[in-house]
Amino acid sequence: DARVTQTPRDKVTEMGQEVTMRCQPILGHNTVFWYRQTMMQGLELLAYFRNRAPLDDSGMPKDRFSAEMPDATLATLKIQPSEPRDSAVYFCASQLGGRGQFFGPGTRLTVL
Amino acid sequence: GENVEQHPSTLSVQEGDSAVIKCTYSDSASNYFPWYKQELGKRPQLIIDIRSNVGEKKDQRIAVTLNKTAKHFSLHITETQPEDSAVYFCAAIHTGGFKTIFGAGTRLFVKA
Repeated sequence: DARVTQTPRDKVTEMGQEVTMRCQPILGHNTVFWYRQTMMQGLELLAYFRNRAPLDDSGMPKDRFSAEMPDATLATLKIQPSEPRDSAVYFCASQLGGRGQFFGPGTRLTVL
Repeated sequence: GENVEQHPSTLSVQEGDSAVIKCTYSDSASNYFPWYKQELGKRPQLIIDIRSNVGEKKDQRIAVTLNKTAKHFSLHITETQPEDSAVYFCAAIHTGGFKTIFGAGTRLFVKA
């Protein structure tokens, strides 16, 4: 049963530190999304890639967030420097063509 | 820009009753409409979907209907059970499958 995986599952850090979150999409899925969710609120799209190329990162604070796909099996989301308001659950999701998305378990980030 | 409106934001029903969640989309080029269920502390999971060439789809106790003319689609849950309690998100995908626009979510409570 193929699943999207994310690491770490939980991250507690101090303000100003760098945070890197990783995602392994389902093999063969060509579109990868990063979302942020706070307190069971809606899903805020941060960035997404198709065939590893960034298509839209307008949802990300550009000065501190960056997203990359160094290869087809790895997507990364980096925050530098982190701030308390970045505390949230970050989900990665992958999709094949125009079908539904499959979400990873999320990374719960707490910035103190 | 494209958006998906979802109503109600909160829905409380008695066990055994039916629940209906409604969504309206703005982009007439949308052609695929998935629904996701997110239980507390879990990832969103795809539960049912419908394509624009179909008016209705059913899977056991859940069904989705689509009215392309009105740009409305709805999720129907019959014989609700306490385990149906969750947040439900509707979504619309633009032709080409690149970007998914999510509704804001409906928090469903099923009272035993």
